[in-house]
Amino acid sequence: GDSVTQKEGLVTLTEGLPVMLNCTYQTIYSNAFLFWYVHYLNESPRLLLKSSTDNKRTEHQGFHATLHKSSSSFHLQKSSAQLSDSALYYCALSRRSNNRIFFGDGTQLVVKP
Amino acid sequence: EAAVTQSPRNKVAVTGGKVTLSCNQTNNHNNMYWYRQDTGHGLRLIHYSYGAGSTEKGDIPDGYKASRPSQENFSLILELATPSQTSVYFCASGDLGRNSDYTFGSGTRLLVI
Repeated sequence: GDSVTQKEGLVTLTEGLPVMLNCTYQTIYSNAFLFWYVHYLNESPRLLLKSSTDNKRTEHQGFHATLHKSSSSFHLQKSSAQLSDSALYYCALSRRSNNRIFFGDGTQLVVKP
Repeated sequence: EAAVTQSPRNKVAVTGGKVTLSCNQTNNHNNMYWYRQDTGHGLRLIHYSYGAGSTEKGDIPDGYKASRPSQENFSLILELATPSQTSVYFCASGDLGRNSDYTFGSGTRLLVI
């Protein structure tokens, strides 16, 4: 079945350093959407990025990710971490045809001064 | 503004009691979802619905029921609450088939004592 793996449960960084959060997925379907959701404390999870196009870079709010179907990956990156980036980040997978989302376990990003 | 509203925001229930969590959406989305969020497990799907009158089991449905009486409303029901159901519950709506992204409510924090 469909699944998403985020191997890091916690990533701690110093402000200004680059961010990379790993996401790999499994699906037998070619029409998958990959998402990154960000969940700040005491707020609702909200969409950060999404993509269904192979090898196309998607950017939003300083973050970017590229869907690589050959390696089933959709890693989230940012060139320079900010204190305000501290949050829980979820990678997720969905197929247009069935409208279910499969979430990874999440990666807690902590950015320190 | 389109939104997903959950009630109550916080709930304390006694073991064996009945709990109903409510969700209302003004996005006119066909699909609605109930997730629970626990540390180390991310967002896990409990029940979902494709439209009024429909409910489907998600990945962890045991101990929960769902009801979708209308397009706008989707309830999660714990007939006999247990301490293991202490968690944060999120409702979401979405319709990827119509290019509408998933949006989440603010969450309900449930404590079962």
